[in-house]
Amino acid sequence: DGGITQSPKYLFRKEGQNVTLSCEQNLNHDAMYWYRQDPGQGLRLIYYSQIVNDFQKGDIAEGYSVSREKKESFPLTVTSAQKNPTAFYLCASSIFENTGELFFGEGSRLTVL
Amino acid sequence: KNEVEQSPQNLTAQEGEFITINCSYSVGISALHWLQQHPGGGIVSLFMLSSGKKKHGRLIATINIQEKHSSLHITASHPRDSAVYICAVKSGGGADGLTFGKGTHLIIQP
Repeated sequence: DGGITQSPKYLFRKEGQNVTLSCEQNLNHDAMYWYRQDPGQGLRLIYYSQIVNDFQKGDIAEGYSVSREKKESFPLTVTSAQKNPTAFYLCASSIFENTGELFFGEGSRLTVL
Repeated sequence: KNEVEQSPQNLTAQEGEFITINCSYSVGISALHWLQQHPGGGIVSLFMLSSGKKKHGRLIATINIQEKHSSLHITASHPRDSAVYICAVKSGGGADGLTFGKGTHLIIQP
């Protein structure tokens, strides 16, 4: 079955450590996205990528980094520079950036201790 | 940036009731999405529409472009419909043109 796989589902991190969240899709989608979800707020865009080896910052990119070396993969690194990293992170994809249905992963919940 | 407002924020209903969730936005859009977020956190796309009405099973989504308003209806609601329903609007070019509402938390009691 086609879909998006995020891992890990739960992750605990000490302050000052970088952590990488994995996102893999087998839908052959060009566009991939990372969103952050906090209680009582709408999803906010961190980074997105339209094609391999290209990505753009979203609304809240500070303290995060991404790569897009393969079409199927769009990992997100939460760096120690992110001041408030505890949140729920969702990866999504769509056929094209400007149109099309969004497909989401199951999410990764990061807690900084 | 588009402002997206959903109402109600929370809704508890009895099984079998007809449910309506509303979404209003401030700026013209090219498309509107209705999403369902399960208690575990995963999100499923229910509808994407730019005009008129769409139906899938017991779910119906409508949009009024002139009034900048969309509704999601659930007929014959069931406890398994309990979830957070999120409205998102596409109002500009690029992925950063997508704005999400805060969601409506729906609980259907047996």
